[in-house]
Order: sequence, then structure tokens, then C-alpha cells
Amino acid sequence: DARVTQTPRHKVTEMGQEVTMRCQPILGHNTVFWYRQTMMQGLELLAYFRNRAPLDDSGMPKDRFSAEMPDATLATLKIQPSEPRDSAVYFCASGKGVPDTQYFGPGTRLTVL
Amino acid sequence: AQKITQTQPGMFVQEKEAVTLDCTYDTSDPSYGLFWYKQPSSGEMIFLIYQGSYDQQNATEGRYSLNFQKARKSANLVISASQLGDSAMYFCAMSTYTGNQFYFGTGTSLTVIP
Repeated sequence: DARVTQTPRHKVTEMGQEVTMRCQPILGHNTVFWYRQTMMQGLELLAYFRNRAPLDDSGMPKDRFSAEMPDATLATLKIQPSEPRDSAVYFCASGKGVPDTQYFGPGTRLTVL
Repeated sequence: AQKITQTQPGMFVQEKEAVTLDCTYDTSDPSYGLFWYKQPSSGEMIFLIYQGSYDQQNATEGRYSLNFQKARKSANLVISASQLGDSAMYFCAMSTYTGNQFYFGTGTSLTVIP
């Protein structure tokens, strides 16, 4: 049963530290999405890749966030420097294209102290 | 502008009863897909059901069915024979061929009462 995997599942860090979250999309999927979920804002799209190329990262704070796909099996989301307001659950999702179904990973719960 | 609206923040249903979760959408794109996801308290996002804009029949997946009314731009989720394990947050979502995006609603919290 193919699944999207995310590491780490939980991360606690101090303000100012760098945080890197990793995602392995389902083999054969060519789209990858990064979302952030908080109680206040709900589910927010941060970045979207198709065939490893960034198509939309308008939802991402550019000064501190960056998203990349070094290869087809790995997507990364980096926050540098992290701030307490970045505390959230970060989801990665992959699919075969838009508007095909997205399948979500288990999420990374980030706490910035 | 593309948009998904879920007007029911919270719903309650008796176990074994059916429940309908509302979702309306707004798009000018003739080609789109509609989705429902379930998020239990464990936090994972679980795909439930998909409806394409050109599909003639309502989608069904086990106890889940999607009541698709294109003219009204609604895509309500119907859960039949509710179970305690159905208690969760439910999100409606839409994606369009030209939009290159997924749009999520704010979710409906469903509680199944024994």
C-alpha cells in the first residue's frame, strides 16, 4: 500500500533555529504539495511542484521558507530562521496531476519555542 | 475566484443514522474535480471520495456518496449508517484543470453519538 512519508513526525525547536522537513511522495506521482494547518488559519497551501518544478509558492513566506525537490523521490521544506508563529502541522501531499486526487502524508508537527 | 464553502462548523448524528455534510463551490472552469477528505483526531488526512465535473453519476465509495448537483454548484457528502469511527473533521476540496491548485473548505466537525 503506497503512502506518502514525512520526516520527522514531531519537531520541537527554539526560535531562530533552522528546521528541515522531508517528504517522499508516492512513486509515480508527479505533483507535490506542501500545506500548513493551524487551528486559526485552517489548511493553507504553501507550495506546489509538478515534475519537480515549482509552480506556485505564493502562499509561502519567502523571507524564511524555502521548498525544493532535489529529485523525484524527495521534497523538502525549510524554515530559517524559525519563529513561534511557525508552529503548526505541515503536510505533504502527492498526486498524479491536477485535478487528480492528492494523497497526504502523516504530517510533521512543528513546535517552535 | 475559486472557492469552497462549508457552512456547518459542527454536526451531530446518531449512530447508524445517515448524515449529509454540505459543500458548495465556485469556479468558472468547466473542468474540475471535487473531493472529500476525513481528518480524525489522529491528524491524518484521509481521501474519501472523488467526483469529476463531467461525471454523469454521483460517486459512491462504500458508505460514502457524493450528492453532486452541478447547477447548484454543490457537492454534499452523505455518510450512511454512521459509525462511532466516523467522528472526525471532514474537508471538501476542489481542483480545476486550469487553476493548478487545490482549494479546501474550512471543514465540518462530525460527532457520532452512540
